[in-house]
Amino acid sequence: ETGVTQTPRHLVMGMTNKKSLKCEQHLGHNAMYWYKQSAKKPLELMFVYSLEERVENNSVPSRFSPECPNSSHLFLHLHTLQPEDSALYLCASSQAGGSGNTIYFGEGSWLTVV
Amino acid sequence: GQNIDQPTEMTATEGAIVQINCTYQTSGFNGLFWYQQHAGEAPTFLSYNVLDGLEEKGRFSSFLSRSKGYSYLLLKELQMKDSASYLCAVSQYRDDKIIFGKGTRLHILP
Repeated sequence: ETGVTQTPRHLVMGMTNKKSLKCEQHLGHNAMYWYKQSAKKPLELMFVYSLEERVENNSVPSRFSPECPNSSHLFLHLHTLQPEDSALYLCASSQAGGSGNTIYFGEGSWLTVV
Repeated sequence: GQNIDQPTEMTATEGAIVQINCTYQTSGFNGLFWYQQHAGEAPTFLSYNVLDGLEEKGRFSSFLSRSKGYSYLLLKELQMKDSASYLCAVSQYRDDKIIFGKGTRLHILP
């Protein structure tokens, strides 16, 4: 139990589907992140929300749409994805500001686009 | 921008010592992290260095030289369960971003 919970753990979706990934953190943090991890690639930062404001978009395609309704919840809305979007999507949280803003990851959502 | 380099793979023997190196280039350095990631699992935090020197935590130690843009993770008395990927990550002041290297896959042989 890391204090960061992601659902669903596994998701298979067609290219025309719309689905959402959900993340909840119980650590009292004020920043939340979405990372993408593909085979043989480093963890790619997709979005950062600090104090519920998006501070980083990182040129992610618009078929990925984040939502952060409050400091404990983060969503990633998915629509018209491509097979190359199949990856592990990791949510993380941290206490932003100051030094040592260690991020803590959820267990990830394995996404397969068919 | 940021650039983080670490070896892709390493192999070591159970009971031995292994050192995993990481070099980085960044602006507004705000610390360096090491994470462990077992296959199919999320990364877990191992260590954080923001000042030069060695931080020891049980069998694992992490070293930082800010002037050289260099860090290493030292694993002692290796166990089979230490077979995993080890991720070097750098934090920068201005935007709370933490950027990861590609990770070093460590194989432990009996």
